[in-house]
Amino acid sequence: GEDVEQSLFLSVREGDSSVINCTYTDSSSTYLYWYKQEPGAGLQLLTYIFSNMDMKQDQRLTVLLNKKDKHLSLRIADTQTGDSAIYFCAERRSGYSTLTFGKGTMLLVSP
Amino acid sequence: DAGVIQSPRHEVTEMGQEVTLRCKPISGHDYLFWYRQTMMRGLELLIYFNNNVPIDDSGMPEDRFSAKMPNASFSTLKIQPSEPRDSAVYFCASSHQETQYFGPGTRLLVL
Repeated sequence: GEDVEQSLFLSVREGDSSVINCTYTDSSSTYLYWYKQEPGAGLQLLTYIFSNMDMKQDQRLTVLLNKKDKHLSLRIADTQTGDSAIYFCAERRSGYSTLTFGKGTMLLVSP
Repeated sequence: DAGVIQSPRHEVTEMGQEVTLRCKPISGHDYLFWYRQTMMRGLELLIYFNNNVPIDDSGMPEDRFSAKMPNASFSTLKIQPSEPRDSAVYFCASSHQETQYFGPGTRLLVL
């Protein structure tokens, strides 16, 4: 199976909260990341969390990490139409310089 | 900082032609990565460098692909000869420590 798994699609209404989920398989992962990709653009680093943390908050973004279940989530509060994009989860394993990416979750925000 | 710079942003070429993609990493970053993104395969790591030295090129699909990093501020990815199945978006990324930043990508179409 995939090392990093994400659901493919999420649709929300403007103003609602969005929760994008990710599961990973390597318990040695040291950092976990969320990237955002808008159409025709590169991947933009949104936020990342160190594996000894449970939660990180940055303005409208909240990252939750459950190491026991190897589950990572990204919550976007007050979702706006400008948040419509593909969101990638990625892990960095201990001793590695590379990242392993999921296939991305397309978030569609409707007015 | 201008971020990771890639050129050209778009490239259309005919099968059999040589294609050269260019990347300027963020100043001070010691890692450089080349990725390819397609609908079918998602984001694939092709090769990465540390301090200008290629570390892992196992993701390079064929001998038609080659990459160089002659100095800390410049890298190229070359495809010779190009084929229609090489059509994709090619991203360069650079990192220092735990964060990896992507360029805007080169959209390649091989006819």
